[in-house]
Amino acid sequence: EAEVAQSPRYKITEKSQAVAFWCDPISGHATLYWYRQILGQGPELLVQFQDESVVDDSQLPKDRFSAERLKGVDSTLKIQPAELGDSAMYLCASSRSGNYNEQFFGPGTRLTVL
Amino acid sequence: SQQGEEDPQALSIQEGENATMNCSYKTSINNLQWYRQNSGRGLVHLILIRSNEREKHSGRLRVTLDTSKKSSSLLITASRAADTASYFCATDAVDSNYQLIWGAGTKLIIKP
Repeated sequence: EAEVAQSPRYKITEKSQAVAFWCDPISGHATLYWYRQILGQGPELLVQFQDESVVDDSQLPKDRFSAERLKGVDSTLKIQPAELGDSAMYLCASSRSGNYNEQFFGPGTRLTVL
Repeated sequence: SQQGEEDPQALSIQEGENATMNCSYKTSINNLQWYRQNSGRGLVHLILIRSNEREKHSGRLRVTLDTSKKSSSLLITASRAADTASYFCATDAVDSNYQLIWGAGTKLIIKP
């Protein structure tokens, strides 16, 4: 069964350092989402791609976060510089386009900023 | 911002009992989805119910949707230890660009 791949699974970094997360969606899924999930809360959308284009990045802190999906397949989310408050689970999801938008999630990257 | 609110925040029941979780939302939707998240694992889609549907079943899961009250419920029958997880409702609001807005979840614990 096809899955969404994410790496790394865990990342520990010091504040002010740069970190990057990678996501490979299910083949053929045009829509890709990056979420941030704080413990005990639901996911919060950071950025949504349709193919290589950004559909919505209104919740992305653009002074320090960036995301790209250059060829419309895999994607990278970067934080520079990391802050203590960025400690969270970062989830990637993909879906087929259209009204039926069940999302398939990767295992996530647990980020700890010290 | 979170549109969905689950109730209760936490639920602890004996194995074999039924578990019911509720979700309320604020705006008109295309569909509502329920997801499960086990400890340390990613989110898994359970069931999707469209705005023109009132009830849907999948195995031991039963979902209802009342668009007039902007609410949904998830019933898990004959619970098992493996059902221990957090359950989230997510709504696909009209004109949302296929985005889902998530609640904070219900943490379900099944006691053996």
